[in-house]
Amino acid sequence: EPEVTQTPSHQVTQMGQEVILRCVPISNHLYFYWYRQILGQKVEFLVSFYNNEISEKSEIFDDQFSVERPDGSNFTLKIRSTKLEDSAMYFCASSTLAGGPWNEQFFGPGTRLTVL
Amino acid sequence: AQRVTQPEKLLSVFKGAPVELKCNYSYSGSPELFWYVQYSRQRLQLLLRHISRESIKGFTADLNKGETSFHLKKPFAQEEDSAMYYCALVTGAGSYQLTFGKGTKLSVIP
Repeated sequence: EPEVTQTPSHQVTQMGQEVILRCVPISNHLYFYWYRQILGQKVEFLVSFYNNEISEKSEIFDDQFSVERPDGSNFTLKIRSTKLEDSAMYFCASSTLAGGPWNEQFFGPGTRLTVL
Repeated sequence: AQRVTQPEKLLSVFKGAPVELKCNYSYSGSPELFWYVQYSRQRLQLLLRHISRESIKGFTADLNKGETSFHLKKPFAQEEDSAMYYCALVTGAGSYQLTFGKGTKLSVIP
């Protein structure tokens, strides 16, 4: 069964450094998402992406964040200058187009980002 | 703005006992409600959604618009039901983003 994959599983970085989190969505899916979960808190939406552009973004997704689909398979989240408060589990998800917002979103296993 | 509340952080029940995981939401429109589950060392996955009116693994959830609730129920808990359960909604107003509750950890005692 196809699955969303994410790399790396754990990323440790110094404050102020740039990080790129990578995701490979399910191949026939057209909607892509990033969520994050700070330890002990709820899963929060960051951004959705469709047709090579951002569809929605939350207040968390400020100028330090960007997303890209550099080729036909990868979907990346870049944090330009990491802060301590960016430490969290980052989840990528994807969904099909048919059925609209009611569709199941398929989640990856997550990347744990630790900012020192 | 929309909000999902799961009042219980942890719920422990004995095997064979009924389970009810509470979820309340606030949104002025008619959202679509979901339950996602995360088993130990596994990824977040959809358990059920209101629009499908389905029963999955013996779980059901009824949308009560008057009480703005979408509680998850199962008549007889099994050990394999132990997991983290998240209630979530999408507003459907052209938005695809899931708004999650904080989650309830269900522990089924053998």
